[in-house]
Amino acid sequence: DGGITQSPKYLFRKEGQNVTLSCEQNLNHDAMYWYRQDPGQGLRLIYYSQIVNDFQKGDIAEGYSVSREKKESFPLTVTSAQKNPTAFYLCASRETDLSTEAFFGQGTRLTVV
Amino acid sequence: AQKITQTQPGMFVQEKEAVTLDCTYDTSDQSYGLFWYKQPSSGEMIFLIYQGSYDEQNATEGRYSLNFQKARKSANLVISASQLGDSAMYFCAMREGYGNNRLAFGKGNQVVVIP
Repeated sequence: DGGITQSPKYLFRKEGQNVTLSCEQNLNHDAMYWYRQDPGQGLRLIYYSQIVNDFQKGDIAEGYSVSREKKESFPLTVTSAQKNPTAFYLCASRETDLSTEAFFGQGTRLTVV
Repeated sequence: AQKITQTQPGMFVQEKEAVTLDCTYDTSDQSYGLFWYKQPSSGEMIFLIYQGSYDEQNATEGRYSLNFQKARKSANLVISASQLGDSAMYFCAMREGYGNNRLAFGKGNQVVVIP
């Protein structure tokens, strides 16, 4: 089945460690996104990529890094520079046409311990 | 500046009644798209409905309809005949311009359907 897969679903990290969240899609979508969601809040854009080997910062990129070496993969690294990383992280992908919706993964809940 | 504004507090809705969720947006582009998503407690985001800025008719998808008032820059979601499974957070989102893939989301509306 076509879709977008995030792993792991739950992730625990010690303070000061980097951690990478996986996002894979087999929808052949050009654009991919990473969002952060805090309790009771909306989605805030971290990074997005419109094509392979290209990505742009979103609204809250500090402390995060991404890569887009393959069309189907857009991993997000939460670095030790991110001061408050505990959150729910959602990855999405979409075609580049104006009318198409974004498809979301199931999310990764990251907890810093 | 905030692109999408959703300011309603959490709402309780009686089963089988209709509910309207407000969304206003801010853009200077002539071409844009508006989306509504549902997020149940499990966390996944479910696409509900889409409205293009040039669409003359309001979008409808089953029990969902979008009340699009372009001059007022509002795109309210109407859910008719609420069901218990409609209890969730609802997010309004906008894609600006053509060739720009950036999606901006509002902070969401919490809906709880009661029997």
